[in-house]
Amino acid sequence: KNEVEQSPQNLTAQEGEFITINCSYSVGISALHWLQQHPGGGIVSLFMLSSGKKKHGRLIATINIQEKHSSLHITASHPRDSAVYICAALITQGGSEKLVFGKGTKLTVNP
Amino acid sequence: EPEVTQTPSHQVTQMGQEVILRCVPISNHLYFYWYRQILGQKVEFLVSFYNNEISEKSEIFDDQFSVERPDGSNFTLKIRSTKLEDSAMYFCASSEWGAQRLTGTSTAKNIQYFGAGTRLSVL
Repeated sequence: KNEVEQSPQNLTAQEGEFITINCSYSVGISALHWLQQHPGGGIVSLFMLSSGKKKHGRLIATINIQEKHSSLHITASHPRDSAVYICAALITQGGSEKLVFGKGTKLTVNP
Repeated sequence: EPEVTQTPSHQVTQMGQEVILRCVPISNHLYFYWYRQILGQKVEFLVSFYNNEISEKSEIFDDQFSVERPDGSNFTLKIRSTKLEDSAMYFCASSEWGAQRLTGTSTAKNIQYFGAGTRLSVL
């Protein structure tokens, strides 16, 4: 049973297109992370949010706690945005916490 | 900008050997984590560590694994007797705050920052 589901698994876009990646989770969470993983393997935190919406440059993340759903949007996509985007649910239990990861969405932006 | 550093970037070892993966978390962070990613699979939680003890560990983190903070800066993951299936990318992460300080609204202090990873290859 996957506690965190992402869609689509793969996404190919043309430069300039608006991108949406979706994340649904089935567990109670404290917050949700959006992460970026480049081909070399390194992971970079993009956002952590527990309500509403956050924006950083061309990236926007939204979360709907009632619907247990989050989206990551990229406006005016660029080839350098090509990476795997991962959502991860922050689960807190009894004073400890851990991230539960989705399988990731591989984004390819063509020039 | 402060960052989490991991060494080595790539470790090759023979099955049955012990390996120690090293991490230097961001200096004012108090919460530390290890994750692993088998090639082609999703990232999985291994263990969280706070106040010199394990806060939580996953089923993967069996008796072959141990973590230590031997001094004020390093955070290590030891695998006692490596198996072929331990081959993976291992990520260390740290955050300034953890569960005890998460009060319902997210704050930058709860964000986990990841190292670049150590690729472990067990032959």
